[in-house]
Amino acid sequence: DARVTQTPRHKVTEMGQEVTMRCQPILGHNTVFWYRQTMMQGLELLAYFRNRAPLDDSGMPKDRFSAEMPDATLATLKIQPSEPRDSAVYFCASGLGGPFGYTFGSGTRLTVV
Amino acid sequence: KQEVTQIPAALSVPEGENLVLNCSFTDSAIYNLQWFRQDPGKGLTSLLLIQSSQREQTSGRLNASLDKSSGRSTLYIAASQPGDSATYLCAANAGGTSYGKLTFGQGTILTVHP
Repeated sequence: DARVTQTPRHKVTEMGQEVTMRCQPILGHNTVFWYRQTMMQGLELLAYFRNRAPLDDSGMPKDRFSAEMPDATLATLKIQPSEPRDSAVYFCASGLGGPFGYTFGSGTRLTVV
Repeated sequence: KQEVTQIPAALSVPEGENLVLNCSFTDSAIYNLQWFRQDPGKGLTSLLLIQSSQREQTSGRLNASLDKSSGRSTLYIAASQPGDSATYLCAANAGGTSYGKLTFGQGTILTVHP
């Protein structure tokens, strides 16, 4: 089965450090999402791209977060500087958009101490 | 803004029972609704995708229904098993200007005890 691959699976970092999370969408998928999951807020949409162009990043704190798709096989989510409140599981998902479903990666569990 | 609500928040049943999980959404302009399963510490696994033009989708012991006009979907699990224990999430796939944007409910935590 085709998979969405996220790296790293786990990341522990100190407050103030830069964190970069990577996602390899399924080949041929043109829509990529970044979600954050916490116990309190559930799944929150941070950003999404279609054909590598950002469509909506209104859920993302702009002062410290950035999301990019340097090419069709790679999406990145960067936090600089990281804070303890950023501790969460970050999921990437890809799909064909519109009436098609989406496939999620296994997530990156981030802990900021 | 689309809002998705799932009821109940948690459900505990004995093995063998049939059960229904509910999902409601405020904006009926959706392409489809997708049901996911999430095991503790794991990612989301897609269970069923039901298009806005469909009323039902079935996969094994799972059946999802959709009533777009009333903003409701249900996930029916027949003959529940302990292996069904997980969190179940529904997600509405928006149409219109939010083309393809997924909005999730908070999930229903299901426990099936032997």
